[in-house]
Amino acid sequence: AQRVTQPEKLLSVFKGAPVELKCNYSYSGSPELFWYVQYSRQRLQLLLRHISRESIKGFTADLNKGETSFHLKKPFAQEEDSAMYYCALEPGAGNMLTFGGGTRLMVKP
Amino acid sequence: KAGVTQTPRYLIKTRGQQVTLSCSPISGHRSVSWYQQTPGQGLQFLFEYFSETQRNKGNFPGRFSGRQFSNSRSEMNVSTLELGDSALYLCASLPGQGKTEAFFGQGTRLTVV
Repeated sequence: AQRVTQPEKLLSVFKGAPVELKCNYSYSGSPELFWYVQYSRQRLQLLLRHISRESIKGFTADLNKGETSFHLKKPFAQEEDSAMYYCALEPGAGNMLTFGGGTRLMVKP
Repeated sequence: KAGVTQTPRYLIKTRGQQVTLSCSPISGHRSVSWYQQTPGQGLQFLFEYFSETQRNKGNFPGRFSGRQFSNSRSEMNVSTLELGDSALYLCASLPGQGKTEAFFGQGTRLTVV
């Protein structure tokens, strides 16, 4: 069975500081990895996915198959980045996401 | 394009009762998945429906069931409610063809008293 672990429940940084939200996964096959974000009073939405290899709102994430990690990074955090971030895995069988426990990012002014 | 719509937004039920939640996916989307979100367990997959058939199922008891209609709208039902069923129930839709992002609804907040 697949598993996604986000070791930090809360990450607090100052505006302009670098941010790294950690995500580790376990799955025997080749899954798709995603980062979803939930801003205050908004619905859960996709931030980025590993297959597109794009940068969204300054965030990037690289899939490291050797370390089974998919950490989310941003060089300079902004106050509007404050939100709940979820790493998720999809094994390829359909619309069936396994989520990590989430990390609350707080960016202080 | 209208987003994913879940009704009702809030529900209060008594232990032992049953409840039905509804999800209308984005027009043209054929896959609907349901998730339970609680502070203790986080986001957990319940089941997925694609073209009126259950395609995947999570590790929940048989009290949790669902169905999908020909217009792709989906319902989930929880029978014999327990206090522990109190949660935010989210549904997500995607086209069902290839791998694309899942679009989530606002959720239904169920409180069991």
